Amino acid sequence: EVQLVQSGAEVKKPGESLKISCKGSGYSFPSYWIGWVRQRPGKGLEWMGMISPDDSDTRYSPSFQGQVTISAGRSISTAYLQWSSLKASDTAVYYCARSSGFEQFDYWGQGTLVTVSS
Amino acid sequence: DIQMTQSPSSLSASVGDRVIITCRASQGISGYLNWYQQKPGKAPKLLIYAASNLQSGVPSRFSGSGSGTDFTLTISSLQPEDFATYYCQQSYNIPRNFGQGTKVEIK
Repeated sequence: EVQLVQSGAEVKKPGESLKISCKGSGYSFPSYWIGWVRQRPGKGLEWMGMISPDDSDTRYSPSFQGQVTISAGRSISTAYLQWSSLKASDTAVYYCARSSGFEQFDYWGQGTLVTVSS
Repeated sequence: DIQMTQSPSSLSASVGDRVIITCRASQGISGYLNWYQQKPGKAPKLLIYAASNLQSGVPSRFSGSGSGTDFTLTISSLQPEDFATYYCQQSYNIPRNFGQGTKVEIK
């Protein structure tokens, strides 16, 4: 069974750093790109970027380029999303998802709620 | 960036109704269009990929059509479990933007 399991909810202060994770199982992790999607409270889905766990080739949305870093550990089947300095506007649920044949997201993690508040 | 515009933003319908949601891309995306369903507090779920392909396990009352810039998601007979928010997404180029969503509510 394909699964993506994300790390737990986080509460952080503005200016702090954070790295959240997404662990894949039940399939060949290096063979599928992993994408990250933001959903602010009460709002829609925003595509942030994606990474190939095979060679760490990474693509970012211009809206998120320089704001976050996407990485992956091929040997431990885990993708990461990190911030060096959080803002209150980063408060959101972040989803990882597997990208399949036509670049559709066919499997999703359960989401990680990140709350940034002083 | 390619902008995706869904209409309507929300709709009220009754069980058994036929529901049609449209999605328009700001430029041609061939058939690289996906549809997702999201229920409150849950991750999105893939319904349709490549415009018209039903994802495994998704009921056949869901169907998709279109090519180029104009696409539709049709629910042939709305069921109680279909009340949710629906998103289109283009996977033609980067960034793979989503539409703003269509909330389907109970009439």
